[in-house]
Amino acid sequence: DAKTTQPPSMDCAEGRAANLPCNHSTISGNEYVYWYRQIHSQGPQYIIHGLKNNETNEMASLIITEDRKSSTLILPHATLRDTAVYYCIVRVEVDKIIFGKGTRLHILP
Amino acid sequence: GAVVSQHPSWVICKSGTSVKIECRSLDFQATTMFWYRQFPKQSLMLMATSNEGSKATYEQGVEKDKFLINHASLTLSTLTVTSAHPEDSSFYICSARDPQGGQPQHFGDGTRLSIL
Repeated sequence: DAKTTQPPSMDCAEGRAANLPCNHSTISGNEYVYWYRQIHSQGPQYIIHGLKNNETNEMASLIITEDRKSSTLILPHATLRDTAVYYCIVRVEVDKIIFGKGTRLHILP
Repeated sequence: GAVVSQHPSWVICKSGTSVKIECRSLDFQATTMFWYRQFPKQSLMLMATSNEGSKATYEQGVEKDKFLINHASLTLSTLTVTSAHPEDSSFYICSARDPQGGQPQHFGDGTRLSIL
């Protein structure tokens, strides 16, 4: 299984861009990088995913390095509601998701 | 978009009772659903894979007689915590994959189980 490494916690000022890094140096060529977040006492929420190219949607942008060994999730204008644990996941097997410890993001007012 | 619904969202029971948690896929059919458990300040831990029409597949260390899983239809999986004790108190979350969708999993909002 490809594994990911994320910092345990990060702080970001409200209104600024939050950049969350993820290392996945053992990723295979056909594996996607997915990002989920979990707000306190809720189920995980899908954010974005990508294979090789950078991706953007209404929630965030995903920047994947050319060698695919790392990626960065960008929340362009963080708000207090973005306070959550963010999980970077490399898709393993057909359906299973094995969660790591994620990054606890604190948005500071 | 696709939605996964869990019921109940919160339950308190006496020690020794059995508790059933339902997980439904509301607008898609799911041949496979997953059950996770999460203790405070920890990550989600995969407990088992629920397969429609067949036996569930349990992760190592999860007692299959303790956590009974039934996936009788393409939209419903149930997790029954049998003879629950205080150490079974946790946050239980289910997920399901929409074969037509781009996400690997859609997650329910979880069930908080407290055993007194």
